[in-house]
Amino acid sequence: KQEVTQIPAALSVPEGENLVLNCSFTDSAIYNLQWFRQDPGKGLTSLLLIQSSQREQTSGRLNASLDKSSGRSTLYIAASQPGDSATYLCAPFGTASKLTFGTGTRLQVTL
Amino acid sequence: GAVVSQHPSWVICKSGTSVKIECRSLDFQATTMFWYRQFPKQSLMLMATSNEGSKATYEQGVEKDKFLINHASLTLSTLTVTSAHPEDSSFYICSAREERGLKQYFGPGTRLTVT
Repeated sequence: KQEVTQIPAALSVPEGENLVLNCSFTDSAIYNLQWFRQDPGKGLTSLLLIQSSQREQTSGRLNASLDKSSGRSTLYIAASQPGDSATYLCAPFGTASKLTFGTGTRLQVTL
Repeated sequence: GAVVSQHPSWVICKSGTSVKIECRSLDFQATTMFWYRQFPKQSLMLMATSNEGSKATYEQGVEKDKFLINHASLTLSTLTVTSAHPEDSSFYICSAREERGLKQYFGPGTRLTVT
């Protein structure tokens, strides 16, 4: 059974800092991994999808990498802004497209 | 593009009644839809996978007679919580995926409170 761990569980940084969120998973027989953000009481917004043939993906200030052999993914956020405050979730998945979510990293970016 | 809506956004019902939650893909055809449940301060747990025109596949521990899922069209899936109890109170989120697509697009969620 896939288990997903996200570290840290919570993080508070001042505006402008670069930060790294970590995700590790136990079943390396995954094909893809998706990163999401969730605002309080809301659904999920997809941030980045890393497919099996890729090692990283970039979108704006976000960069996500995937190392299947070690069972790790990182989400890098550059020049953080207060609007980035949310819970970030990673979810690896295989061919059946069943996402297994970590417990998330709750990010607070302060002014 | 790739917008998924859910209705209602929140619902309060009495114990013993049934509640139906709709999940719609607004601008694409979703051959597969997923239903998740999220308890406070916990992550999302997959309840079931539904494919258009066929029966849903439930995850272990999810009662299929209690959580009825119907995926009658390529843009609509419904989750009916039957004989709701207070412990069913949760945040229910659906997602949709296009045929041959990888990404899942999530709805805004439905908060169910059973009194």
